[in-house]
Amino acid sequence: DSGVTQTPKHLITATGQRVTLRCSPRSGDLSVYWYQQSLDQGLQFLIQYYNGEERAKGNILERFSAQQFPDLHSELNLSSLELGDSALYFCASSGRLAGGIGELFFGEGSRLTVL
Amino acid sequence: SQKIEQNSEALNIQEGKTATLTCNYTNYSPAYLQWYRQDPGRGPVFLLLIRENEKEKRKERLKVTFDTTLKQSLFHITASQPADSATYLCALDGGRNTGFQKLVFGTGTRLLVSP
Repeated sequence: DSGVTQTPKHLITATGQRVTLRCSPRSGDLSVYWYQQSLDQGLQFLIQYYNGEERAKGNILERFSAQQFPDLHSELNLSSLELGDSALYFCASSGRLAGGIGELFFGEGSRLTVL
Repeated sequence: SQKIEQNSEALNIQEGKTATLTCNYTNYSPAYLQWYRQDPGRGPVFLLLIRENEKEKRKERLKVTFDTTLKQSLFHITASQPADSATYLCALDGGRNTGFQKLVFGTGTRLLVSP
């Protein structure tokens, strides 16, 4: 158990809909990372937050947005869903920021299926 | 463009042998390189981190080398066991150019250890 909690574990929805994925980091970790993993693209970095502020952005679509709240949990919002958005979405947390990235602790993921 | 390459073909070895996995990268100057293990449908689990000024790191049956001139890391599992069967991912931070806070993953190499 990594200590990172993601909900929901599974989600099935239709094209055009909007969903919210939630992540609670390990106790004390200030950094939260979001990744998308699909079969053909591997683990793709989406976005990173540190103590409520966005710190790094990857290949995140404009239809996707995220935020980190004062209690450090984070949400990833996916809107106008397309079939290609079907993937596993992972959240990870880390305690370190200065000088580089330490190890990431990953949650078990949220599997999104868009029909 | 930046690339992290891992052998997409599965590596099949016999129990007791040493497994060696390769990670090559281009157009990165990472401060750190990390290795993770991922089981099907699960989140990646951190294994080892090696810094740019370190040549080798060991942890139990695991050994990682990091050659910044060749832009390559080798990951070794000695005395491999069937329980080591999984996908192994290497990951680099963005470094001085792209940013330390992005941790970018390779697509992983699947290791199969047969009894």
